[in-house]
Amino acid sequence: DAKTTQPNSMESNEEEPVHLPCNHSTISGTDYIHWYRQLPSQGPEYVIHGLTSNVNNRMASLAIAEDRKSSTLILHRATLRDAAVYYCILRLPHDDYKLSFGAGTTVTVRA
Amino acid sequence: DTAVSQTPKYLVTQMGNDKSIKCEQNLGHDTMYWYKQDSKKFLKIMFSYNNKELIINETVPNRFSPKSPDKAHLNLHINSLELGDSAVYFCASSQNSLAGSSGTQYFGPGTRLLVL
Repeated sequence: DAKTTQPNSMESNEEEPVHLPCNHSTISGTDYIHWYRQLPSQGPEYVIHGLTSNVNNRMASLAIAEDRKSSTLILHRATLRDAAVYYCILRLPHDDYKLSFGAGTTVTVRA
Repeated sequence: DTAVSQTPKYLVTQMGNDKSIKCEQNLGHDTMYWYKQDSKKFLKIMFSYNNKELIINETVPNRFSPKSPDKAHLNLHINSLELGDSAVYFCASSQNSLAGSSGTQYFGPGTRLLVL
C-alpha cells in the first residue's frame, strides 16, 4: 500500500483556519487521496477526497500539490466540534475496497 | 434513520465465550466491512463483503467468522474469545460497483468489546 505521513498532532484556536499536511511521495497516478476524521468515541467519518484538482465541500477544502506528492486539508474556521483525529489515506479506485488507516493527526481546538 | 447501525454498543464477556456483533446498513450499498480498533487506536480492516461475497480477509484468526445474510447485513461471530480481542469493532459500508463511485465508506458507531 502507498504510505502517507502526517504530523502526530496540531493545535488551533477556535474560529481560525487549520491546515493539515499529508505527504504521499510514493503515490501512483490512479491513487485517490481520501481524508476521514474520527471524533472522540465515534466511528470515522468521510471528510473529502480528490485526485488531482483542489476540492471544496461544506466540511473542508483539499489542496493537492501539482506533483501530487503532498496534500493539505484545510478547515476554514475550526470549531470545538472539529477536534478529532484526521486521517489521510491513499486509495486505488478498486483496491479491494479497503482503507488503510495510519496514525493520523490529532487536532486540538482551543476555545 | 441511522445509516449504519451496530448492536450491541457495549459487550462485556468472559474469556472462552462465543459472541456475535450485528451490523445493518440502510444505504443500499453493495459492500460492507469490519474494522478493529485496538487500545493504541489503530484501525485495521478485518473483512469485506461485496454483494454477499467475501473479498477481503486479512490475517484474522479463524475464530472470527463474518456472515452476510444479505447485502444490508454483515455480522461478526467470534468463538473462544481471548483477552486480546478486547477492542472497538467498527462496521462500515460503501457503494463500489457504480462507475465513478468514490467508494466513500460510512461507519457505524462501533461496538466496544471487553473480554475479562
